Amino acid sequence: ETGVTQTPRHLVMGMTNKKSLKCEQHLGHNAMYWYKQSAKKPLELMFVYNFKEQTENNSVPSRFSPECPNSSHLFLHLHTLQPEDSALYLCASSQSSVATYEQYFGPGTRLTVT
Amino acid sequence: KNQVEQSPQSLIILEGKNCTLQCNYTVSPFSNLRWYKQDTGRGPVSLTIMTFSENTKSNGRYTATLDADTKQSSLHITASQLSDSASYICVVSPQTGANNLFFGTGTRLTVIP
Repeated sequence: ETGVTQTPRHLVMGMTNKKSLKCEQHLGHNAMYWYKQSAKKPLELMFVYNFKEQTENNSVPSRFSPECPNSSHLFLHLHTLQPEDSALYLCASSQSSVATYEQYFGPGTRLTVT
Repeated sequence: KNQVEQSPQSLIILEGKNCTLQCNYTVSPFSNLRWYKQDTGRGPVSLTIMTFSENTKSNGRYTATLDADTKQSSLHITASQLSDSASYICVVSPQTGANNLFFGTGTRLTVIP
């Protein structure tokens, strides 16, 4: 285990549903990330939080809404998703958001949008 | 444009055999390069990290090499085991700037008995 947990592990939702993904890290890190992983594509950085403040939003559609109530927890709220949003969503954490620090990944949530 | 390219895209080998995975990058300036292993249905887990000045680093049966002049890295797996079946992802950190890691698309390795 990497010290980063994600729930749920699998999620199937319709395009009109609203759901949330949860991530928790037990490593005492200050930075947390959301990534999208699609087949045969590199990981795509979605959001970065450093000390609970959002520092990066890589042109992610507004149907994805992150929330970081504290340095240990990160949420990704989903609403009116599209089928092309089906992917593995990975959460990661690191000591700091500087790129030289290693990121520790959770197991991911496999999302299927029907 | 900063990029990380990996080859081959997929690889099948017999248990016990060796294999080498390649990573070419154009990220500059460069801080470090990591190899991650990602099992199916799991998140990536770091195998090795190499800085600019390092040429080789081992982690058990995994040996990573780095040629910073040609911007190439390789991951050599010795005496493969069935549990080595996974995707191997090369990740490059630039020397400046926060957040922006550069990920390869990975090599899918399958070890068969």
